[in-house]
Amino acid sequence: AQSVTQLDSHVSVSEGTPVLLRCNYSSSYSPSLFWYVQHPNKGLQLLLKYTSAATLVKGINGFEAEFKKSETSFHLTKPSAHMSDAAEYFCVVSDTPGGGNKLTFGTGTQLKVEL
Amino acid sequence: DAGVTQSPTHLIKTRGQQVTLRCSPKSGHDTVSWYQQALGQGPQFIFQYYEEEERQRGNFPDRFSGHQFPNYSSELNVNALLLGDSALYLCASSLRGVRGRETQYFGPGTRLLVL
Repeated sequence: AQSVTQLDSHVSVSEGTPVLLRCNYSSSYSPSLFWYVQHPNKGLQLLLKYTSAATLVKGINGFEAEFKKSETSFHLTKPSAHMSDAAEYFCVVSDTPGGGNKLTFGTGTQLKVEL
Repeated sequence: DAGVTQSPTHLIKTRGQQVTLRCSPKSGHDTVSWYQQALGQGPQFIFQYYEEEERQRGNFPDRFSGHQFPNYSSELNVNALLLGDSALYLCASSLRGVRGRETQYFGPGTRLLVL
């Protein structure tokens, strides 16, 4: 069985400061891991994905995540937050290398960005 | 390049009724997955269709059924609606079996309210 745990339900940062959204995973296989973002009343947008290549993954809008097998973590970071980053972020695990099958979502982290 | 589209965007039904939601995959994709996102929660996998057959199923009752057409579009049907079926229903498409192309891309969703 596979699962993800997002350690913070809400994160608040000031514009221009770093962002850290934490995620731990559990998987019987070598997992594929993803971060998706959901803006209010919108669908889910893929930010980045890890599929057993480089452990440091760069995504869109300046986000990146590092796969750490020893810590079973896949934390999402961004050096400098922007107001437009305010949204719900989901850490996701898949039991297939590319994420083509069932995706298992975390409970989400609501990111608030303040002036 | 058209992304994943879903219809309708919003729907209101009463308990006991039946509903059909529709999804057109991204151009070039052949696999459609459906997810249910209750308010304040992460999406939950319902099922996945490929080659007009259900390939994987999540923990949902058989009131939830689906179909995939030869043009890869898909329908989600829910019978005997319950209040608890109120949610955002998300469709995702992907290309099966092509390494690096299996990533799921999501549509904007259909918001269903059951009264």
